[in-house]
Amino acid sequence: RKEVEQDPGPFNVPEGATVAFNCTYSNSASQSFFWYRQDCRKEPKLLMSVYSSGNEDGRFTAQLNRASQYISLLIRDSKLSDSATYLCVVNSLSGGGADGLTFGKGTHLIIQP
Amino acid sequence: ETGVTQTPRHLVMGMTNKKSLKCEQHLGHNAMYWYKQSAKKPLELMFVYSLEERVENNSVPSRFSPECPNSSHLFLHLHTLQPEDSALYLCASSQDRLFEQYFGPGTRLTVT
Repeated sequence: RKEVEQDPGPFNVPEGATVAFNCTYSNSASQSFFWYRQDCRKEPKLLMSVYSSGNEDGRFTAQLNRASQYISLLIRDSKLSDSATYLCVVNSLSGGGADGLTFGKGTHLIIQP
Repeated sequence: ETGVTQTPRHLVMGMTNKKSLKCEQHLGHNAMYWYKQSAKKPLELMFVYSLEERVENNSVPSRFSPECPNSSHLFLHLHTLQPEDSALYLCASSQDRLFEQYFGPGTRLTVT
């Protein structure tokens, strides 16, 4: 059972294009959702939290669909510096325990000049 | 960014050695975490501490021993490791367990 599932890619996208990733999660009790970015051999860095109403930060838009249990990330006007692995992260706390963050395996994005 | 620091950044150790990894967070957070990331694998949660109490141990072998002396510091004591333990060990902290986590730069461990 894969708790958080992402298409590993790689997605090869020309500079300036729009690209979208989806991520599905299995635990309907999940409470918070995030997108992280991880560059090669570096630590993951928070890109944005994902709110029920959807949220936008510059060229990045994140959306949550609780009914279908997926979250999405849209990148507009992609830059070469957007090349990275994008991690879908879901947080669930079950009674009496701490599941913590569950990370997807990540989607590898390559922006080509 | 110096919110979460880790030392050392690189470590090579033999299977009979004992070493410790150190993590320090300067963000006033209440929860701290250890993760392992092996090559081409997703992050694996190892330990969770909340308010200095260990709340989760994800079936980690006893050769890994965490210590959280206060809310700002977290250690991972290593002894008699195996070559398959070679990986990037990441520390993270968060305000609360449901909140976003901030990661340190990691310690790249090689066991020979």
